[in-house]
Amino acid sequence: GQNIDQPTEMTATEGAIVQINCTYQTSGFNGLFWYQQHAGEAPTFLSYNVLDGLEEKGRFSSFLSRSKGYSYLLLKELQMKDSASYLCAVRGAAGNKLTFGGGTRVLVKP
Amino acid sequence: NAGVMQNPRHLVRRRGQEARLRCSPMKGHSHVYWYRQLPEEGLKFMVYLQKENIIDESGMPKERFSAEFPKEGPSILRIQQVVRGDSAAYFCASSPPASETQYFGPGTRLLVL
Repeated sequence: GQNIDQPTEMTATEGAIVQINCTYQTSGFNGLFWYQQHAGEAPTFLSYNVLDGLEEKGRFSSFLSRSKGYSYLLLKELQMKDSASYLCAVRGAAGNKLTFGGGTRVLVKP
Repeated sequence: NAGVMQNPRHLVRRRGQEARLRCSPMKGHSHVYWYRQLPEEGLKFMVYLQKENIIDESGMPKERFSAEFPKEGPSILRIQQVVRGDSAAYFCASSPPASETQYFGPGTRLLVL
């Protein structure tokens, strides 16, 4: 089975940096995804990691350590519009289905 | 290029009625996934389909729920004899063959009275 853990909520200030951690225990691993979801909207794809290391994409970066079952999403130069839930999801070794964590709600304050 | 389309966006049903949720994948995408999101909870996988085939239905409740993705037309998630516990947001995602990334539609919010 799969178990994905991430903090429920985080608060940060506009212009600051926030790091959202995600740990997972899985029976197989074939990639980790981060999605952003604004309230009442669809999840939108942010990043995909399948190899260890850091993937940088503008203000957002994602890191993966497969040996530790650990990933983080780093949001830099926070903007008010970054207030949203951030979903960590793992694809198992068999098949394409994604197993999601509960999501981390990030609140950006002025 | 239009994204994943879902309709209706909102659906209200009384207990015992049927709910039909439709999903049109992005152009060129032949893989469709359905997920359910209960209030204040994470997304839960339900079923993975390719054209005319159910590939993985390990997340589907054993009764009342069915899904199809016909050769022509949208994918349909059907819930028979709905109960209040079926109230949730149902998201469809699609991907092209041999792609890791799933792209999500706007969801259908089902409310069972």
